[in-house]
Amino acid sequence: DAKTTQPPSMDCAEGRAANLPCNHSTISGNEYVYWYRQIHSQGPQYIIHGLKNNETNEMASLIITEDRKSSTLILPHATLRDTAVYYCIVNNNDMRFGAGTRLTVKP
Amino acid sequence: EPEVTQTPSHQVTQMGQEVILRCVPISNHLYFYWYRQILGQKVEFLVSFYNNEISEKSEIFDDQFSVERPDGSNFTLKIRSTKLEDSAMYFCASRSPQETQYFGPGTRLLVL
Repeated sequence: DAKTTQPPSMDCAEGRAANLPCNHSTISGNEYVYWYRQIHSQGPQYIIHGLKNNETNEMASLIITEDRKSSTLILPHATLRDTAVYYCIVNNNDMRFGAGTRLTVKP
Repeated sequence: EPEVTQTPSHQVTQMGQEVILRCVPISNHLYFYWYRQILGQKVEFLVSFYNNEISEKSEIFDDQFSVERPDGSNFTLKIRSTKLEDSAMYFCASRSPQETQYFGPGTRLLVL
């Protein structure tokens, strides 16, 4: 079973930042936090991952709390194409997906 | 940019028939995975494969399922005798050591 908790859905206005939270209170010291998204029925798309430091790439930023029990994925300027289900996953090898957060970006 | 590919994109089969779903992982990757997603449900892990053997499998991956890497490029999932409840999207993924998994576009399997 997934070791993370995410809100089932969120809305965001186009052009605004989308902040998607994830709780992973049972994370172990060597487990990474991964974020993927799935647009409609396409294959999950990798977004970003981190261990304990904040990370940023061309798609998003990942903020991990100091105790590593939660994290936030930030899409700085959400577009309509960012509408998807976003998954926060904690693991070292095999991905165990939860239900994720359905983000809807609205015009 | 290298990507995981899967064939066919859609497969329709009769209940009880065997199906083989094919995947071409990214060329320098060593770890391979199959997942499935029943319509409207979450993505479920089936099996992981490394060094020509299964490294982990879920309770879903029972005796009707098998995986194989028949040559240096393909990675296959075989379902021996399909059931109606096998209808789902099947995703292949691969990764290199210390890297994240990259997923293919999936095969939509419909069992009639």
